[in-house]
Amino acid sequence: QAVLTQPSSLSASPGASASLTCTLRSGINVGAYRMYWYQQKPGSPPQYLLTYKSDSDKQQGSGVPNRFSGSKDASANAGILLISGLQSDDEADYYCMIWHSDTWVFGGGTKLTVL
Amino acid sequence: QVQLVQSGAEVKKPGASVRVSCKASGYTFTTYDLNWVRQAPGQGPEWMGWMNPNSGNTGYAQKFQGRVTLTRDTSISTAYMELSSLRSEDTAVYYCARDYSGSSGHFDPWGQGTLVTVSS
Repeated sequence: QAVLTQPSSLSASPGASASLTCTLRSGINVGAYRMYWYQQKPGSPPQYLLTYKSDSDKQQGSGVPNRFSGSKDASANAGILLISGLQSDDEADYYCMIWHSDTWVFGGGTKLTVL
Repeated sequence: QVQLVQSGAEVKKPGASVRVSCKASGYTFTTYDLNWVRQAPGQGPEWMGWMNPNSGNTGYAQKFQGRVTLTRDTSISTAYMELSSLRSEDTAVYYCARDYSGSSGHFDPWGQGTLVTVSS
């Protein structure tokens, strides 16, 4: 079982909100980890969005709109990237990442379609 | 501005080695760790390892131990990633990425990527 699991795709309408989840493998507690989120558009490298561990331990990337925010769902053992006020430019692949067992581990990514 | 510029695309045969360079500009090269990440076609990113350009210390993902070597030349602010014993599954875009704030997962900026194709 993968360390981080993300839904392969998600669709949402312009102006709506999208909640992208990143579920940790059983036995790995989301509460112990800083989770990093990246956005990637075709033909470009990933771009850092934000870091979230708790409401008192979080960071927004430079120039990243406040429409992008992080949170956790402890009951689901998952990190969440919430994007509000969706715009067509938000259409991209989104990846979560944590430091686990001396390795930076990426999720498989969620392709967000805005239509 | 801060940027990382990588070397051009490579085509290699199985069993060969490849070396990708990553030239830093706009900041003091020895101040920030550099990470190497690869991305196979249609797949998510995969972290390979990191290097401290000041000390030369390195750390590698277990998957690549023994096959990847990270080095640097501080006189020209350039880092190198060499991957040996190439196989078709190593076909991917390889990126270097600066650790923005010290042993963190905040990678910024990234190089533009180098496509390595392994084919007989």
